[in-house]
Amino acid sequence: GDQVEQSPSALSLHEGTGSALRCNFTTTMRAVQWFRKNSRGSLINLFYLASGTKENGRLKSAFDSKERYSTLHIRDAQLEDSGTYFCAAEAGDSNYQLIWGSGTKLIIKP
Amino acid sequence: GPKVLQIPSHQIIDMGQMVTLNCDPVSNHLYFYWYKQILGQQMEFLVNFYNGKVMEKSKLFKDQFSVERPDGSYFTLKIQPTALEDSAVYFCASSLAGQGNTLYFGEGSRLIVV
Repeated sequence: GDQVEQSPSALSLHEGTGSALRCNFTTTMRAVQWFRKNSRGSLINLFYLASGTKENGRLKSAFDSKERYSTLHIRDAQLEDSGTYFCAAEAGDSNYQLIWGSGTKLIIKP
Repeated sequence: GPKVLQIPSHQIIDMGQMVTLNCDPVSNHLYFYWYKQILGQQMEFLVNFYNGKVMEKSKLFKDQFSVERPDGSYFTLKIQPTALEDSAVYFCASSLAGQGNTLYFGEGSRLIVV
């Protein structure tokens, strides 16, 4: 079955507001990466975490391997934040594979 | 930031023909990957390549698939012969090291097999 469950599948926010995306894992993951896919199809790296939290501007991510989840928080959303966000996790039993969430389509409205 | 380039961006090919997808990874990266995303489905790992060898591959990496990076040129994915179910977007990625390093992705090559 699916090892990475990402939610919500779609999210609409007004500019200036915020929300959180979440990935739950059915097994222990070693690390997680978050990406944004823009309108051109480019996958932009946002974060790589093996534990704890990281913050970059208006984005903040957390990863808890033991509790089997990762979150991506967006605050003060801007129009350019629109896109599809993916989490991808490194499984403990694999050196090279990333297991992907199904994505969250985020739309920022003026 | 670091860029991975993929050529072609789109290709339409007749079933049974051969196709080669090219990837120009980040210049100092050592690990290379191919991922496949069928329309409406999740991205899936195909293969990882390091030091001239396939390190790991998934069930999706059929016998008709092969990868190589001759003399530090493009990292290529060759499908011979192609089948209808090979229609997908193929993403190349590279990383400086393997485990524990962030991957950088190209924009994908959309392959349509007719």
